Amino acid sequence: ETGVTQSPTHLIKTRGQQVTLRCSSQSGHNTVSWYQQALGQGPQFIFQYYREEENGRGNFPPRFSGLQFPNYSSELNVNALELDDSALYLCASRLQGIYGYTFGSGTRLTVV
Amino acid sequence: QQQVKQSPQSLIVQKGGISIINCAYENTAFDYFPWYQQFPGKGPALLIAIRPDVSEKKEGRFTISFNKSAKQFSLHIMDSQPGDSATYFCAALNAGGTSYGKLTFGQGTILTVHP
Repeated sequence: ETGVTQSPTHLIKTRGQQVTLRCSSQSGHNTVSWYQQALGQGPQFIFQYYREEENGRGNFPPRFSGLQFPNYSSELNVNALELDDSALYLCASRLQGIYGYTFGSGTRLTVV
Repeated sequence: QQQVKQSPQSLIVQKGGISIINCAYENTAFDYFPWYQQFPGKGPALLIAIRPDVSEKKEGRFTISFNKSAKQFSLHIMDSQPGDSATYFCAALNAGGTSYGKLTFGQGTILTVHP
């Protein structure tokens, strides 16, 4: 059973809108990363947070932003949604210094 | 830029057979090579992983073979079962620099095991 919980599981938004996705990391995991997985593709790294600060970012525009909270929860915010943002968004957490990530089941975002 | 190349895209094997999936990487800064299994509607689940100072790691029916000089690694699933039918991703982790902690995934292999 995964220790990472994501909400909501599915979401439909209109182009131009803003969306917030939420993640509750496994207890004690102080590092959280977000990934975007398009249909039929491998996950792509969006960014990583450690102790509530962003410490790594992939090739995603600034309209993708995030927050990490002291209670091991985190958020992914996407502004000005585009059709190509339709994907499965995955949250993954780990303990800093330990390489094994635990992934959540993801949020399926559809932009229409 | 694709830094981890995975093949084949799809694989069909008979129950009891051996499934082999291959990956190649370019970035020598990678320091950890996990394999993930993903079922429809679920997130990736860590299957097995290896560090580059080891040439082989076995856990049950799953074995990773690692060739550091060739920058290649592979997953072998022995005695494949219908329950193994899933999408498999190889990945590589940056253990230093500005990309510390970033996982780079391959494109995935859809494995189908026929009973």
